[in-house]
Amino acid sequence: DIQMTQSPTSLAASVGESVTITCLASEDIYGSLVWYQQKPGKSPQLLIYGATILEDGIPSRFSGSGSDTQYSLKINSLQPEDFASYYCQNGLSTPYTFGAGTKLELK
Amino acid sequence: QVQLKETGPDLVQLTQTLSITCTVSGFSLTTYNVHWVRQPPGKGLEWMGAMWNGGGTDYNSAFKSRLSISRDTSKSQVFLKMNSLQTDDTAKYFCARHYDNNPFDYWGQGVMVTVSS
Repeated sequence: DIQMTQSPTSLAASVGESVTITCLASEDIYGSLVWYQQKPGKSPQLLIYGATILEDGIPSRFSGSGSDTQYSLKINSLQPEDFASYYCQNGLSTPYTFGAGTKLELK
Repeated sequence: QVQLKETGPDLVQLTQTLSITCTVSGFSLTTYNVHWVRQPPGKGLEWMGAMWNGGGTDYNSAFKSRLSISRDTSKSQVFLKMNSLQTDDTAKYFCARHYDNNPFDYWGQGVMVTVSS
């Protein structure tokens, strides 16, 4: 099974700052990396797929990068609504494993 | 529009069987795959298994032989059944839509299930 190691586990930042979350796959997933945002009590929302492709309706301050085993999610100019949990997912093959998540909190 | 909705019990007794239904609308189960994902309180997401559009299934080996996924295409429903429930099966259970090499693009709101002794 492909393991997804996400870091950091938690992150405190202020509105207007930029943050980066990373995800390391245990083997090459050929760019099949997905990022989700989840707010408390809600279901996950798709942000980015194919490592770099922004889902329709997602603000351009979100961006994804990476290849092979190393991937990252960058959020520029944080807005109040961005404080949430973020998960990466192996989108290549079953089991479609998720990273452990990053909780982005307001500093 | 695309919708998925999970229905199931709030409470299940220890060692009993959990049954959850995912009712979908706005798309066909013979075109799209449906996955089950769960999330224990305060913890991360765990992929459980899939019902493929062709009728096959795939399971996370972590659930060994406890888990079964089936469907009724005429009712646009996908079913999750898991037996021998333990307290660490307490979680919110989600179903999500998936197509080909695309991501899970639509999710249900989830159903919170507590396993009680």
